[in-house]
Amino acid sequence: KAGVTQTPRYLIKTRGQQVTLSCSPISGHRSVSWYQQTPGQGLQFLFEYFSETQRNKGNFPGRFSGRQFSNSRSEMNVSTLELGDSALYLCASSAGVVAGKAEQYFGPGTRLTVT
Amino acid sequence: AQKITQTQPGMFVQEKEAVTLDCTYDTSDPSYGLFWYKQPSSGEMIFLIYQGSYDQQNATEGRYSLNFQKARKSANLVISASQLGDSAMYFCAMREISSGNTPLVFGKGTRLSVIA
Repeated sequence: KAGVTQTPRYLIKTRGQQVTLSCSPISGHRSVSWYQQTPGQGLQFLFEYFSETQRNKGNFPGRFSGRQFSNSRSEMNVSTLELGDSALYLCASSAGVVAGKAEQYFGPGTRLTVT
Repeated sequence: AQKITQTQPGMFVQEKEAVTLDCTYDTSDPSYGLFWYKQPSSGEMIFLIYQGSYDQQNATEGRYSLNFQKARKSANLVISASQLGDSAMYFCAMREISSGNTPLVFGKGTRLSVIA
């Protein structure tokens, strides 16, 4: 089974621009979560989509948005980029909750640098 | 609110020795799950092991075992027979279950270095 894929792997943008990151979950997985990882703040939850609906949202400004398509692929968008948005963005997919356990399988991440 | 604390920013271990990575958590939810992930320098998070709050036995997966002490709210990861490839960041995470599909909350991580 193919793992979670994320594109692009590396991205350099300038302040004020917008960016779209893509995530393809493991086949059959309907839940996709996004995380931002920075040296200072660690791993922070952005949002989760399940069957095209946002099921959870972290504490990030409205510049961060996402969506999920009918094939479970997900995109996240960051508008008006700031220097502080430089981070590793990780996507994780999950099949769902089984007896309380919901393993999340992560992709390799997209490293975004904002200059 | 749920919280995960990893107090060891960095750890060193000799190859073939065992090492324990500490994790304490705080939650008011009686039903929760605890996870450990490994993150090599490549960036990908690799799932290692899971422990449910109602599981009677400590979880084990190959060389990984989880020392779960519920009363102390600790979920330490034990890696036996360390290998050079174990050098990575290790993250403890928790998910509260009673309130539905809540997201994983991660600790700050511990950087493990295995020395030959």
